[in-house]
Amino acid sequence: AQSVTQPDIHITVSEGASLELRCNYSYGATPYLFWYVQSPGQGLQLLLKYFSGDTLVQGIKGFEAEFKRSQSSFNLRKPSVHWSDAAEYFCAVGYPNDYKLSFGAGTTVTVRA
Amino acid sequence: DVKVTQSSRYLVKRTGEKVFLECVQDMDHENMFWYRQDPGLGLRLIYFSYDVKMKEKGDIPEGYSVSREKKERFSLILESASTNQTSMYLCASSFLAFPYEQYFGPGTRLTVT
Repeated sequence: AQSVTQPDIHITVSEGASLELRCNYSYGATPYLFWYVQSPGQGLQLLLKYFSGDTLVQGIKGFEAEFKRSQSSFNLRKPSVHWSDAAEYFCAVGYPNDYKLSFGAGTTVTVRA
Repeated sequence: DVKVTQSSRYLVKRTGEKVFLECVQDMDHENMFWYRQDPGLGLRLIYFSYDVKMKEKGDIPEGYSVSREKKERFSLILESASTNQTSMYLCASSFLAFPYEQYFGPGTRLTVT
């Protein structure tokens, strides 16, 4: 069964510092990869997605992610964090001919002044 | 913009009550999903539907049922609410075909007392 691992439950980062959130997936086939963000009390918003092509993808709010097939990873990065980036972040994976997505457990990001 | 709406943001019900959670999407999406979200567990799929009157069980269907009489509307039903069903419930929708990107509603926080 496909699974998604987000190794970090909680990350605290200073405003203006860089941020990297890790995501690993277990299944070997070519995945479709997504990062979503959830602000407190809200639904999930898509940050970015990867299907094929350039392994470095740009998303909204200044986020980017890099797909590394050899490491089965799709890590999310932001060069300089803003206080409004405090939220929970979810990595998700899908596969061809299966329109369900599998979600990781999430990483909560706290931004300190 | 895709809009997914859920009938209530907050709901408090008593044990044993029958509970209906409603979800409506306005993008003519074929797929609709119900998830529950609990701290540390991420999103777990309860049920999904890929067409009107069609449904499939997800990972945790026990204690729930669903109804999809119209393409835009997907209802989650708790036949006899229990305290362990206290959770955040998220509805999502997507097109049937690639790339399966899901769009989420704001969520319903259900408390069963």
